[in-house]
This record gives sequence, structure tokens and C-alpha cells, in this order.
Amino acid sequence: SAVISQKPSRDICQRGTSLTIQCQVDSQVTMMFWYRQQPGQSLTLIATANQGSEATYESGFVIDKFPISRPNLTFSTLTVSNMSPEDSSIYLCSVEDRGLLGELFFGSGTQLSVL
Amino acid sequence: GQSLEQPSEVTAVEGAIVQINCTYQTSGFYGLSWYQQHDGGAPTFLSYNALDGLEETGRFSSFLSRSDSYGYLLLQELQMKDSASYFCAVRDRGSGNTGKLIFGQGTTLQVKP
Repeated sequence: SAVISQKPSRDICQRGTSLTIQCQVDSQVTMMFWYRQQPGQSLTLIATANQGSEATYESGFVIDKFPISRPNLTFSTLTVSNMSPEDSSIYLCSVEDRGLLGELFFGSGTQLSVL
Repeated sequence: GQSLEQPSEVTAVEGAIVQINCTYQTSGFYGLSWYQQHDGGAPTFLSYNALDGLEETGRFSSFLSRSDSYGYLLLQELQMKDSASYFCAVRDRGSGNTGKLIFGQGTTLQVKP
């Protein structure tokens, strides 16, 4: 199993600012996934981050708003740029278990509130 | 595209058995997963069905029928700590051999004494 450290755990930010969320994995993984979960809602995939290449964004998410870095096989960051109250959500990074398809390990999440 | 449907809420009493259904529509299909999420916590993996049939893990079982595009999660001997949200998720064939999962809307299970 993978252990994922995600930070910050929560933050309160002002409209128009940016926040960078960090995700550190205790083992090397090929792909990391960033999800968003609005209160009481399901998980929506933002993008898939591969090391050494541009992230692949899902419909409705763009790189200018959610730039992602993946400098090595154990680390990734997601930035929420030019924030508005609609960005208030929980952001989760996740990685796939090597041995079992269909199993993702999740970080503890970042609860973001935008005022 | 993909879509998954599951009931929004289920209520049951301690010691009972509850079944949470999930129907899906995808352009292709690798398997169905189930996740549990407690309030304020991260989702945790429960089970994965790639083939038709029943997979049992302790008090939890998961079933898949590919021909019916249907699966369910069965929770037996319910305990108060089972109160949580439960999500089904599919690995869509369009995502290839990746970990990209699409999640259902979630079912909130409330276990009462």
C-alpha cells in the first residue's frame, strides 16, 4: 500500500489569490490523480499527472486554472489559481495500487475555503 | 461518456444487512470498485470486481453482473461505525490501463441503534 502525505490540510483564502497543494508519496508511482470533492458531493477527476509530461485534464478543467507539477515519481503539486468562492472544495490527490487494479490510495485531502 | 447511479441515502439498524446498488453506463468497462468515506475523511478502498460474481471480504461483499451493467455492495452485521458514504466507481475502458476512476454520486448510509 502507498502512504500519501498531503498538505495543507485546510486553508482559508481570499478571492483572487492562489493556493498550491502538495502531495508526497512514500513510493515511486507512475501516475498521480487529482480529484475535487464539493461538500456532500462525489469525487470529480481534475487531471492525471505523469512524471515528465504535461498533465491530462478532464473536461471542464484547464491548465491555467489548475496548473500541476510532477517533478519526480513521488511528488506532485496542484495550484488553484485566481480563486473564487466556487473553488471552495476538498482537493484530494491519489495514486494507484500497483498490485490491484481499481484500488486508489488517497491523501487526507485539503479543505479549501475561499472568501 | 460514463454514468453511475446509486441511491442517495440508505438507513438501517445495527446488526442488519444492507445492500447498496450501482448501475453504470460506459463505453467499455474494466471493473467496478467500491469506496467508503467517513465524514471529514479520505475515501478508502473496499473492493473491486473485474469479473461477474461475488467477492467477499469479511462483513463486506461486492457483486457484479456485467451483462446487466449492475453491481452492489452488501454490508452484513452492521455496526455504528459503518455509517459513512459509499461510492461505486468504474475504470472506463477509454482510460486504458490507468488508475483513472469515475465515481458515482455516493450513498449515505446511516446505521441506527
